[in-house]
Amino acid sequence: GAGVSQSPSNKVTEKGKDVELRCDPISGHTALYWYRQSLGQGLEFLIYFQGNSAPDKSGLPSDRFSAERTGGSVSTLTIQRTQQEDSAVYLCASSLKENSLEKLFFGSGTQLSVL
Amino acid sequence: ILNVEQSPQSLHVQEGDSTNFTCSFPSSNFYALHWYRWETAKSPEALFVMTLNGDEKKKGRISATLNTKEGYSYLYIKGSQPEDSATYLCAPYNTGFQKLVFGTGTRLLVSP
Repeated sequence: GAGVSQSPSNKVTEKGKDVELRCDPISGHTALYWYRQSLGQGLEFLIYFQGNSAPDKSGLPSDRFSAERTGGSVSTLTIQRTQQEDSAVYLCASSLKENSLEKLFFGSGTQLSVL
Repeated sequence: ILNVEQSPQSLHVQEGDSTNFTCSFPSSNFYALHWYRWETAKSPEALFVMTLNGDEKKKGRISATLNTKEGYSYLYIKGSQPEDSATYLCAPYNTGFQKLVFGTGTRLLVSP
C-alpha cells in the first residue's frame, strides 16, 4: 500500500471488553513496530516484529496485551479485559528492515478510549 | 530506562521567528538519533536520522546538529511558518536498549 494503514481509527469500549487493533504496513517492509502514547506521555514502545517473529516483546505492559503478525504483513494487537489505563493512541510503524538507521513510517493511529 | 529529555515542552512563536529545541540523551552506547515531526491528526513523519558526532542535516528551513560525546541534538527552524506547528520528537537508538526510545516531544505553535 501507499502508507501504513491502521484500523479502526477510533475505538470506544467498555472496561473488561477485548479489543483488536489492526496494522497494515507498507508493502515490502519487514520490520513492524507498535507504540502507544498515553495522555501527557511520550511514545512508549510495545513490541516489534521482524518478519513474523517478535524478538522484543519487552514493552508489552501486561499479559493482557498480545500481538501477532502473519504472512510478514498485517499485524494485530489484542488487548484483553481492557482497563481505563489502556486508553491511549496506539501507533503502528514499519520500516524496510529492522535497523536503527532506517526511518520509521507511521500509521495515523488508533485512539482507544476505555470507559 | 533510557532517559531522553526534550526541551522546551512547548513553544509559541510568531511567523518568521527562528527557533530551536533540544534533545538530551545518554552518550554511552549511542548509535543513532531520529527526529520526527507529528502534526495534529496526522502520522509522525521522519525528518532526520543522524549517527556521526558533529553531523548536521538540513531539510528546507529545518536543520539538526548532533553531539554524541555530550549527548544532545539541536533542531533549528529558520523563519517559522504556521505549517511548522507540530510536535517534534527525538528518539535515540542505544546499543544497550536496542530500540528507539522516544522523548515526550516539543510542541511548537507558530502564529500568523
